Amino acid sequence: DTAVSQTPKYLVTQMGNDKSIKCEQNLGHDTMYWYKQDSKKFLKIMFSYNNKELIINETVPNRFSPKSPDKAHLNLHINSLELGDSAVYFCASSPYHGFNYGYTFGSGTRLTVV
Amino acid sequence: GENVEQHPSTLSVQEGDSAVIKCTYSDSASNYFPWYKQELGKRPQLIIDIRSNVGEKKDQRIAVTLNKTAKHFSLHITETQPEDSAVYFCAANAGGAQKLVFGQGTRLTINP
Repeated sequence: DTAVSQTPKYLVTQMGNDKSIKCEQNLGHDTMYWYKQDSKKFLKIMFSYNNKELIINETVPNRFSPKSPDKAHLNLHINSLELGDSAVYFCASSPYHGFNYGYTFGSGTRLTVV
Repeated sequence: GENVEQHPSTLSVQEGDSAVIKCTYSDSASNYFPWYKQELGKRPQLIIDIRSNVGEKKDQRIAVTLNKTAKHFSLHITETQPEDSAVYFCAANAGGAQKLVFGQGTRLTINP
C-alpha cells in the first residue's frame, strides 16, 4: 500500500506539448510538495500546499501550475514544455504545516522533453 | 534565504571503514536537519534527523552531530557495507518558510 504515489513514472514528450503529473498520499498528511531533481541530482522545491492552500511558490515559470483538489492530492500541469524541463519531479508530503518532520517522497516522475 | 552546502560531492571508502559527510547552513533560525538516502533510480528516503535542541543522535551504524554555533552538521556511517552505496542528502528547514532546503548531495561508494 504505497504511501505517496505518483503517475506516470515515465513521461516522454515533445517540446511545446502540455502534460500533467498526479500525486496522491494516503498518510493523512496536511502538507504536500513538488520538488524538481535535475541531472546533477540537485533537489529544489517548486511548490507547497497545506490543506489545499498554496503556501510556497518558488521562482518557477508560470507554465507550471499546481492544483490541489483535496489535501490528499496534488497535481502538476506543465504547459508548452521546453527541453530544460527534463528532470525527475518528486511529490512529497509531511504531517503538519509549521512543524518540522521529514518528508515522505513519491517514487518520482522522469520527464524527458525531446 | 537558507543555503545548505554539502561536502564532499563524492566519497569512496573501503567496506568496513567509516564515512563522514558534512553540511553547513546559513539560516540561524533553522532547527530541523534531516538526512536522506537515495539509491539509484529510487526516491529519497529519510534515514535520520536531528533537531536543534540535541547535539547528537544515533541509530545503529548511523549517527548525526549538530554544532549550532558553527552552523554545521554531519552524518557518520560506521562499519560501512555495500548496501550503503547511494547518494546522501542533508537538508535544513528554512526558518519561517516551512520548507526543506537540500544540500547538493554526496555520492557514496563502498568498495568491497
